[in-house]
Amino acid sequence: GESVGLHLPTLSVQEGDNSIINCAYSNSASDYFIWYKQESGKGPQFIIDIRSNMDKRQGQRVTVLLNKTVKHLSLQIAATQPGDSAVYFCGNAGNMLTFGGGTRLMVKP
Amino acid sequence: KAGVTQTPRYLIKTRGQQVTLSCSPISGHRSVSWYQQTPGQGLQFLFEYFSETQRNKGNFPGRFSGRQFSNSRSEMNVSTLELGDSALYLCASSLGGQGQAEAFFGQGTRLTVV
Repeated sequence: GESVGLHLPTLSVQEGDNSIINCAYSNSASDYFIWYKQESGKGPQFIIDIRSNMDKRQGQRVTVLLNKTVKHLSLQIAATQPGDSAVYFCGNAGNMLTFGGGTRLMVKP
Repeated sequence: KAGVTQTPRYLIKTRGQQVTLSCSPISGHRSVSWYQQTPGQGLQFLFEYFSETQRNKGNFPGRFSGRQFSNSRSEMNVSTLELGDSALYLCASSLGGQGQAEAFFGQGTRLTVV
């Protein structure tokens, strides 16, 4: 079965608020996780990655948290903007790059 | 630097026909992966090619096949098309290191089977 899976298919947030997108993974997952963003009409685009020797990694307005105890990772987007509206995929990069189902983030003005 | 190019962008085929989709990776990238994207199933991994060899394969029937040429361009073929094959087919290219996560996706080919 899939090594990673998203918790919610959709998430609606107010512009300016923080967004948190959650993902769970199974024992079959490798120790390298990634997040991709897919805007309408485009292919997925790499956002950020994290290896299991880390608990947290920060990028520009994004933070990924990895909780190995409960096999959970999350993507946090600070001060969500309309341009953040997209489908977000968590993925696992073992021998191959595989993804869970996506979460559609909708930003309300 | 040109991105990943997929052709054609849209395709309509009839059940039972076969189809070939093309992907030109970013220059210098040796790995090309193919994915099927449907509303209900998300992004499903089909296969990955590296240096003209299939390196990994997902759980799809044998009707789905692919190949990679010496210039790293890749094609995927679906034979005996079924209605359920209607989907967006995405390819992604990367440098090709094992466990490498940063792949660059094309815009996809939207296949409709009628």
